[in-house]
Amino acid sequence: GAVVSQHPSWVICKSGTSVKIECRSLDFQATTMFWYRQFPKQSLMLMATSNEGSKATYEQGVEKDKFLINHASLTLSTLTVTSAHPEDSSFYICSARAERHYNEQFFGPGTRLTVL
Amino acid sequence: KNEVEQSPQNLTAQEGEFITINCSYSVGISALHWLQQHPGGGIVSLFMLSSGKKKHGRLIATINIQEKHSSLHITASHPRDSAVYICAVPLRGATNKLIFGTGTLLAVQP
Repeated sequence: GAVVSQHPSWVICKSGTSVKIECRSLDFQATTMFWYRQFPKQSLMLMATSNEGSKATYEQGVEKDKFLINHASLTLSTLTVTSAHPEDSSFYICSARAERHYNEQFFGPGTRLTVL
Repeated sequence: KNEVEQSPQNLTAQEGEFITINCSYSVGISALHWLQQHPGGGIVSLFMLSSGKKKHGRLIATINIQEKHSSLHITASHPRDSAVYICAVPLRGATNKLIFGTGTLLAVQP
């Protein structure tokens, strides 16, 4: 199968700081990665589509200056939550589209962000 | 009305029971995904299927494209199968974007 990792798995930060979350495809290349957030007992919500070598496409209502996405290589996308506030506390999950696996999406284990 | 609906929302079973989780969708799709999310949050992709049936171990997924319905079956259920099971379909006109069902919380008791 195809493996996607995320780092860190959890992070606690103070309000006003920025936090970077990494998403890596470990054994395949992914031109497209996706970032989701999930609130407790709710379904995943797509935040943005990350495209290697180009700007990310954000979903309606997601602030691109707040959630900076960089997809600098075919195996790495990063999400930076800038000037984090308590309402940004959530579970952030990435997925990567594996072209060699019939374009199936493989999900990372998620990152739990808590902003104090 | 949600474009992807799952039933039941909650399911409690005894170890060894045969379990069925259903997913109905209202959009035309190219493929449907079944995902598993354990407590703690990590998501595992179980199946992606566009027709017929797929089997992996004790898990079986079926789909009926005409009826826009899919089922996930677990045979000989075990407490370690306890998780949230989510079906997801591509958003109309955007095959990369997924619409997620609200999930089925399964608890298998020993």
